[in-house]
Amino acid sequence: KAGVTQTPRYLIKTRGQQVTLSCSPISGHRSVSWYQQTPGQGLQFLFEYFSETQRNKGNFPGRFSGRQFSNSRSEMNVSTLELGDSALYLCASSLDIYQPQHFGDGTRLSIL
Amino acid sequence: GENVEQHPSTLSVQEGDSAVIKCTYSDSASNYFPWYKQELGKGPQLIIDIRSNVGEKKDQRIAVTLNKTAKHFSLHITETQPEDSAVYFCAASTGGNQFYFGTGTSLTVIP
Repeated sequence: KAGVTQTPRYLIKTRGQQVTLSCSPISGHRSVSWYQQTPGQGLQFLFEYFSETQRNKGNFPGRFSGRQFSNSRSEMNVSTLELGDSALYLCASSLDIYQPQHFGDGTRLSIL
Repeated sequence: GENVEQHPSTLSVQEGDSAVIKCTYSDSASNYFPWYKQELGKGPQLIIDIRSNVGEKKDQRIAVTLNKTAKHFSLHITETQPEDSAVYFCAASTGGNQFYFGTGTSLTVIP
């Protein structure tokens, strides 16, 4: 069974630009969550989507948004990029709540 | 919200010895506690998890214990091997798929 796939693996952007990251969950998984990982703040929850609806949201500004498609694939968008947005963005999928989450290898976003 | 603390931040053990990583959580409503292993350049990999209605769970060389009264849970790795070297994260969830992670433990197994 294929794991969680995130594209692209690496991305370089400049301040003020916007970016879209993609996540394909494990087949059959309907829940997709996004996390930001930085050396200073660790792993922080961004949001979770289930059946195309945002079910949970972390404490991030509105510049961070996401969506989920009918095939459970998800995208995350960050607008007006700031230097502090440089991080590893991880996507995790699961069948539903109380089920193990499986992570992809992330998208490394660097802001210049 | 939930706050998860993890100790130690770094841990070095000789090959064959045991390693123990401890986490505490603040929200008594937390009921699901997974542990992840993250290798360089990779995403976190689930290695074991435990639910609040269970006190201990074991999977070969890995075990997790949970003390709900004290609000802490621990990861135990026995007979450590060099390939166990990685960063380990604990996490807690009060429900849903919003997880709160510890700050990580960098484990080095010395051959």
